[in-house]
Amino acid sequence: QSALTQPASVSGSPGQSITISCTGTSSDVGGYNYVSWYQQHPGKAPKLMIYDVSNRPSGVPDRFSGSKSGNTASLTISGLQAEDEADYYCSSYTSSSPVFGGGTKLTVL
Amino acid sequence: EVQLVESGGGLVQPGGSLRLSCAASGFTFSSYWMSWVRQAPGKGLEWVANIKQDGSEKYYVDSVKGRFTISRDNAKNSLYLQMNSLRAEDTAVYYCARDMDAFDIWGQGTMVTVSS
Repeated sequence: QSALTQPASVSGSPGQSITISCTGTSSDVGGYNYVSWYQQHPGKAPKLMIYDVSNRPSGVPDRFSGSKSGNTASLTISGLQAEDEADYYCSSYTSSSPVFGGGTKLTVL
Repeated sequence: EVQLVESGGGLVQPGGSLRLSCAASGFTFSSYWMSWVRQAPGKGLEWVANIKQDGSEKYYVDSVKGRFTISRDNAKNSLYLQMNSLRAEDTAVYYCARDMDAFDIWGQGTMVTVSS
């Protein structure tokens, strides 16, 4: 049940695009199309942003997109806005249980 | 409105016990897997346990096996986490979440502090 690997921090200016990576193994990210992404603002509960690798729940802006290649999943945010500044976590189901990444702090400059 | 509301957190001494509750509303609780996810202060998210719709299957992260028990009462639309033999490293905000191979609905969380 090892955590998935994410960069500790990323940054970008308003209007720019950023990508956050999430690296696992063939036993989690690479083996299942059950990768999800969560946004968490300070003191708040996480919010689902992407599920099943690339699907957006109702109400999530289409500036948020997800993809996967091999054992690495990615979250891309285009047209960065100030309110996107938050922590982002990836998650994947494995054969036995879900596992999270360590989280990435996104700073909007 | 779809909602999850946790309760039962607090300060407990090492070795003590605590029972968390999560009240669900706005959806058919008995149709979904449910999970507990925790977050230690300043740290990332950690999945703790989940339970099948009818309670027949339960899974736990290795660090809580034998100490924590997840359960549910579909008649009361409620999810529970019985935590025994608590350790300092169990200190965290505990969230309940609807589990659909992604956690699509989250509660606001309840804080558990294990300290003497």
